[in-house]
Amino acid sequence: GEDVEQSLFLSVREGDSSVINCTYTDSSSTYLYWYKQEPGAGLQLLTYIFSNMDMKQDQRLTVLLNKKDKHLSLRIADTQTGDSAIYFCAESKGELSFGAGTTVTVRA
Amino acid sequence: DTAVSQTPKYLVTQMGNDKSIKCEQNLGHDTMYWYKQDSKKFLKIMFSYNNKELIINETVPNRFSPKSPDKAHLNLHINSLELGDSAVYFCASSPRQGANYGYTFGSGTRLTVV
Repeated sequence: GEDVEQSLFLSVREGDSSVINCTYTDSSSTYLYWYKQEPGAGLQLLTYIFSNMDMKQDQRLTVLLNKKDKHLSLRIADTQTGDSAIYFCAESKGELSFGAGTTVTVRA
Repeated sequence: DTAVSQTPKYLVTQMGNDKSIKCEQNLGHDTMYWYKQDSKKFLKIMFSYNNKELIINETVPNRFSPKSPDKAHLNLHINSLELGDSAVYFCASSPRQGANYGYTFGSGTRLTVV
């Protein structure tokens, strides 16, 4: 977690967009990942972006990558109660190295 | 069909005991991992095995001993359990060694040492 940093908490109203930010350290990371962990469950791969891309869209998810600033973000459009979870950013630094996770709470 | 399965899901035990956690993957992956998630949700890699061979052994007390009888299984044995070992332990696998292939995680084993 020291190499990948995320804000710890995000509260968002149902129907609004959520934006989760992450900074990483290894500019040679080939892929950057977002994982989702629901309560009592393991980590589920949500999406990933190849390092030569700036943006990737996958239904309600949009990943933005700023390689110069080593900044990664995940936007969830039309956030639903089922999106309440912990979201982990990870860089491929040899093996996967994770941030501390952002707990997203969706309120009605 | 569970891709990466861990047993048990919950484990409560006393200090000083020895316990094992088992992990099996049916994905045909070559590489398996153990991660520890502490109470602050921070995930840290402990071990990585590729085709039954130890690849990564992070700074983990030698009370923790992984064993891989075949590439579909990676078990974790812990001797002389301490309070600080309480955490959620996740097993994961990937098609090959390295982070570029994405990992598939098990649902975790919550270990509580009392």
